[in-house]
Amino acid sequence: QSVLTQPPSASGTPGQRVTISCSGSSSNVGNNYVYWYQQLPGTAPKVLIYRYYQRPSGVPDRFSGSKSGTSASLAISGLRSEDEGDYYCAAWDDGLSGVLFGGGTRLTVL
Amino acid sequence: QVQLQESGPGLVKSSQTLSLTCIVSGGSISSGGHYWSWIRQHPGKGLEWIGYIFYSGSTYYNPSLKSRVTISVDTSKNQFSLTLGSVTAADTAVYYCARTLSSIAARPHFNYWGQGTQVTVSS
Repeated sequence: QSVLTQPPSASGTPGQRVTISCSGSSSNVGNNYVYWYQQLPGTAPKVLIYRYYQRPSGVPDRFSGSKSGTSASLAISGLRSEDEGDYYCAAWDDGLSGVLFGGGTRLTVL
Repeated sequence: QVQLQESGPGLVKSSQTLSLTCIVSGGSISSGGHYWSWIRQHPGKGLEWIGYIFYSGSTYYNPSLKSRVTISVDTSKNQFSLTLGSVTAADTAVYYCARTLSSIAARPHFNYWGQGTQVTVSS
């Protein structure tokens, strides 16, 4: 069981806004940067958001990140069918001296 | 453009040692500035970080795997490797190698990934 807790699933219709949460603790999300990864079927993960809210070049501004206390969130607005896939949060954990991934959230576009 | 390619046997017998290599092209491991990592994904499950290595040989490991894992680097061949001992069926997974953007271990920004390689542990 992951120390970073994500809902197992999320869904929305095209054009809607969906939010995925990542709940941690003071030793990880509360004190270290959070990263969000998108994994489309059959492919390696790709970074969507780094340092809580920054987007690498090429990632649409429909994707946004935020953090409050020991939780972080990924929001996807203007949902599109190609957004279907799995989404993972990741953060360093000071207690473990290692990287944690959330359990992942499967996004379905209805 | 940096590229990473995993190589190694796709089938390993239970209780034996899994060995994989990640060949890096388009960039030099010895230039520093990045951590080189192994990450795995069990069938139908989420991502699990295995560990990191810096070009100097400094490592960080997932505590749950630390007793069985070694990550090493060969800068002369521009590659790094994973060995996982005493494998069981629970080690069956897709194994990815990846590179971080920065040299700060606490920033798991993996900006380059290999395509992943399936490893099955058989009895």
